[in-house]
Amino acid sequence: ETGVTQSPTHLIKTRGQQVTLRCSSQSGHNTVSWYQQALGQGPQFIFQYYREEENGRGNFPPRFSGLQFPNYSSELNVNALELDDSALYLCASSLEGVEEQYFGPGTRLTVT
Amino acid sequence: GQQVMQIPQYQHVQEGEDFTTYCNSSTTLSNIQWYKQRPGGHPVFLIQLVKSGEVKKQKRLTFQFGEAKKNSSLHITATQTTDVGTYFCAGTPGTSYGKLTFGQGTILTVHP
Repeated sequence: ETGVTQSPTHLIKTRGQQVTLRCSSQSGHNTVSWYQQALGQGPQFIFQYYREEENGRGNFPPRFSGLQFPNYSSELNVNALELDDSALYLCASSLEGVEEQYFGPGTRLTVT
Repeated sequence: GQQVMQIPQYQHVQEGEDFTTYCNSSTTLSNIQWYKQRPGGHPVFLIQLVKSGEVKKQKRLTFQFGEAKKNSSLHITATQTTDVGTYFCAGTPGTSYGKLTFGQGTILTVHP
């Protein structure tokens, strides 16, 4: 196990609602990245947080936003949920300057 | 934007046979990483390659990084049932730490 935890494990939401997903990084890791993994696909980079600031963003609309807290834990917020947002959301922690990513178990989001 | 392609999409082998998956990037990469994801699990880091032409081995697994740093391969010798899962390559362009672009993965099935 990596030491990266995510909550909740599963979530069912209705189209148009808002959702917040949480991630606790591995001890000592100051960088958190979020990925969306649709069924049968590779993870897609959403954004990365380093020292509480967004440090790069993938091709996702502004309704995907995030936060990083002083203890390096992080949140992913998605507004105005769409059916296509149904996916496994993974967070990964890493140490500044080190490429290896430690993934959490993910949150399975279903939008109906 | 950067694209990472993997082939084949699926590979079915008999236990004891060899397996190879190939990864190609549309742009030069600063490094390439390989991850394994078991069914229902999350990606687990296997290895990172940084140097042009680099070859690394982990027991029955051999990883190569192309001379142009745009392609890579993972070869498993004498597969075992424990090798089952999806193998992803993931590349980082430039100095974008942690902003990985994943391939779509190769799903490996091993028949005993």
